Amino acid sequence: GAGVSQTPSNKVTEKGKYVELRCDPISGHTALYWYRQSLGQGPEFLIYFQGTGAADDSGLPNDRFFAVRPEGSVSTLKIQRTERGDSAVYLCASSPSRLSNEQYFGPGTRLTVT
Amino acid sequence: QKEVEQNSGPLSVPEGAIASLNCTYSDRGSQSFFWYRQYSGKSPELIMFIYSNGDKEDGRFTAQLNKASQYVSLLIRDSQPSDSATYLCAVNSLNYGGSQGNLIFGKGTKLSVKP
Repeated sequence: GAGVSQTPSNKVTEKGKYVELRCDPISGHTALYWYRQSLGQGPEFLIYFQGTGAADDSGLPNDRFFAVRPEGSVSTLKIQRTERGDSAVYLCASSPSRLSNEQYFGPGTRLTVT
Repeated sequence: QKEVEQNSGPLSVPEGAIASLNCTYSDRGSQSFFWYRQYSGKSPELIMFIYSNGDKEDGRFTAQLNKASQYVSLLIRDSQPSDSATYLCAVNSLNYGGSQGNLIFGKGTKLSVKP
């Protein structure tokens, strides 16, 4: 079946602008995660949804970052007043349930803030 | 602070040899352990997971877990040039609600398999 999809694959924006990154999880997966990955580093956790609610948002670096999942499927990560330090690959992953361990990643969105 | 440590490499092995990748973790509460493969410019791909002490085999891959030593490893038998990638170790712990939470990743070990 179809895997996790993310759009756009690349996003270049100017410092101070607002961006939205979209994630469409594997059909039927109830848990959805956002991570970001910088060069030479492992993915770093941002936020985790179980259904529509954010079960854990402790990884969001500051209040410029926000994510929603209004219908329990597609999720949008929103970044306000972007900064050059926000440049990274933003990865979305999904897993079948709250009790499942395995997380499957999408292809990522490469965000570049100029 | 929960941490996962990996040797960054590069680890270079000849084609056909066994590649051994190692990982240690700091949180004794960790319950689940994962190995992801990441090709350059691509996203992580789940290749193995292990929950219990001992060995788990899947094809050419064997994951080994020793919770007492807080150590997990990945063996790749009959290594192929196509195995050349960065291998990420990840662990997770139950969150306070009792459900699976986020993964904590190491920085990855870069493996190079020479023909």
